[in-house]
Amino acid sequence: DTGVSQNPRHKITKRGQNVTFRCDPISEHNRLYWYRQTLGQGPEFLTYFQNEAQLEKSRLLSDRFSAERPKGSFSTLEIQRTEQGDSAMYLCASSLAVGGPSYEQYFGPGTRLTVT
Amino acid sequence: GENVEQHPSTLSVQEGDSAVIKCTYSDSASNYFPWYKQELGKRPQLIIDIRSNVGEKKDQRIAVTLNKTAKHFSLHITETQPEDSAVYFCAANTGGFKTIFGAGTRLFVKA
Repeated sequence: DTGVSQNPRHKITKRGQNVTFRCDPISEHNRLYWYRQTLGQGPEFLTYFQNEAQLEKSRLLSDRFSAERPKGSFSTLEIQRTEQGDSAMYLCASSLAVGGPSYEQYFGPGTRLTVT
Repeated sequence: GENVEQHPSTLSVQEGDSAVIKCTYSDSASNYFPWYKQELGKRPQLIIDIRSNVGEKKDQRIAVTLNKTAKHFSLHITETQPEDSAVYFCAANTGGFKTIFGAGTRLFVKA
C-alpha cells in the first residue's frame, strides 16, 4: 500500500493518560499535516510540517499536544494528560511541493481516540 | 478569523437528479478550493479541486464553479447515483499549508 498510513487505528485510554499516534506519509511527500475530526464536522487543522520543520501550529492546540517529524519522514502526535474532550478522529495527510506550492493532500485512514 | 461555511448540511435527491452544494469563504487570500468525499468510516478523498485563476472545472459528472468576487464556490453533481451517497466537504487554502474545511454536507441519493 503506497498511501498514507496511520497507527494505531483505534485507541481507548483513560483520562489523564498519555497517547502517541504515528503517521507514515506517501514516501516522496515533503509536507505532512495533522487534523482532528469530530462527529458531524469537517477536519480541523492542527499542525503542519515541511520536511522535518514544524511551520505552523493551530492556536486551538493546547500545550498538551506535541508533534514531531524527526527525519522528515514519519510523524508522531502525542497528547499528554488526555481529557474526554480529546476524543475524536485524528487524521494525517501528506502532499508534495516541488519548486512551489502544491495543494493536493492525501489523507490517511485516521486514528480514532476514545478517552474514558 | 478564517472560516468556510457550507450549505446545506443535509441533501436528499432522487437517483438521476442533480445535487448542488454551496460554500462561502472569508479569507480573500484563498486561492485553492478542494472538495473531498468521505464515506462512512473512511478517509476523506479528493474528488475535484479548482484554483483561483479558473472559474469552472468539470470532471465527468462533477463540476465546480468559483466566484472570487463573491467568495463563493459550488459543487455540482449531475445524474446522481446511489454510490454518490456520502459526506462532502469543501475547503479553502491560501496557497500554503493551512486548509480550512466546511462542516460537510451529507448527501443521500435515493434509488
